[in-house]
Amino acid sequence: QPVLTQSSSASASLGSSVKLTCTLSSGHSSYIIAWHQQQPGKAPRYLMKLEGSGSYNKGSGVPDRFSGSSSGADRYLTISNLQSEDEADYYCETWDSNTVVFGGGTKLTVL
Amino acid sequence: QLQLQESGPGLVKPSETLSLTCTVSGGSISSSSYYWGWIRQPPGKGLEWIGSIYYSGSTYYNPSLKSRVTISVDTSKNQFSLKLSSVTAADTAVYYCARKWELREIDYWGQGTLVTVSS
Repeated sequence: QPVLTQSSSASASLGSSVKLTCTLSSGHSSYIIAWHQQQPGKAPRYLMKLEGSGSYNKGSGVPDRFSGSSSGADRYLTISNLQSEDEADYYCETWDSNTVVFGGGTKLTVL
Repeated sequence: QLQLQESGPGLVKPSETLSLTCTVSGGSISSSSYYWGWIRQPPGKGLEWIGSIYYSGSTYYNPSLKSRVTISVDTSKNQFSLKLSSVTAADTAVYYCARKWELREIDYWGQGTLVTVSS
């Protein structure tokens, strides 16, 4: 069963960029993940699927400011031109067969 | 546009069974491409996957909850349901239903429903 590790918090200034990291456990570095955004008081929202090659596919309506990349066991979510509405919790998700695992989430603060 | 809506009691007594239903609209629960699942989030904490079901009835459960969880599907009503038995205060959470691609990611979430376990 894979394990996903995320930093608990991150912060960046309005209009700047931030790169969030999700790390796959040993032996699972090739796994595909997904990123989800959860704004305060709301349900999570699917952002994108991200492969180990760095190829990603975004969900409907996800702004161009959101992009993904990969390096080894690390999966990244980059948000450019940060907006106030990007202040949220970000979760990564992966799966083994049809069982699902979530990372612990990163709380992003926009300064 | 696909929509998922959770429904069920917001308050459950300790030791009783929590029961929730998710109604799917804007798409068929019988599609061969998807699983339908439950995820929960205790107040102030992260997401925990509970389990998923295919329209045929095939299920996958979180090993840590497996002994207490039953997920079922009613294709005639385009609904699937969660039962969690012997609940305690630790089961207090917002419960979300979601759609998951087979062998892929969750791509749609319901709005969630808060279930409190208290006497």
